[in-house]
Amino acid sequence: NAGVMQNPRHLVRRRGQEARLRCSPMKGHSHVYWYRQLPEEGLKFMVYLQKENIIDESGMPKERFSAEFPKEGPSILRIQQVVRGDSAAYFCASSPLEGGRAEQYFGPGTRLTVT
Amino acid sequence: GQQVMQIPQYQHVQEGEDFTTYCNSSTTLSNIQWYKQRPGGHPVFLIQLVKSGEVKKQKRLTFQFGEAKKNSSLHITATQTTDVGTYFCAGPYGGSQGNLIFGKGTKLSVKP
Repeated sequence: NAGVMQNPRHLVRRRGQEARLRCSPMKGHSHVYWYRQLPEEGLKFMVYLQKENIIDESGMPKERFSAEFPKEGPSILRIQQVVRGDSAAYFCASSPLEGGRAEQYFGPGTRLTVT
Repeated sequence: GQQVMQIPQYQHVQEGEDFTTYCNSSTTLSNIQWYKQRPGGHPVFLIQLVKSGEVKKQKRLTFQFGEAKKNSSLHITATQTTDVGTYFCAGPYGGSQGNLIFGKGTKLSVKP
């Protein structure tokens, strides 16, 4: 059973470009979460999605950031017009149950560098 | 707002010494989870505690959930270099159906 997959693992973008981060949850998991982690810091919740629905996006900046989890295909975290402050590790996690009722399985992360 | 706090932020130990990290929530939790992240890696689930006063053991690791379900601890006996990493606690945000809110973690380094 494959784990959570994320790609790309490393992404370099110039300021003003768009970044697209992909996440395929574990088989059978319909709950997906995105987190951001700055160096030497904890995980900051961004958004919680189920298939075709955004359940909670309270942790996501209102501008430039968007997320989706379509019926078919991976979840996408999209960052438009990236700035240097967007440089971070972005982790996706999936869970078989909603919210905090069950453990979350994390992908290897996408390390975004904005130059 | 709801907060999950961990202390200490950093801990340096000699191999063979014990290690404890503490987690405190501003609200009562339906469960608490612990994760470990190795340097350069991703968080990996360790355990979930659900019952008040629950104690669970995994080899040299002992996890406790407080009676009031607002605090928890992770104790490692006789640390090894393989224990190096950051240990995070996490609890449901806004109740049992919320997202997870993570503490900032305790970074453990072990000197051989």
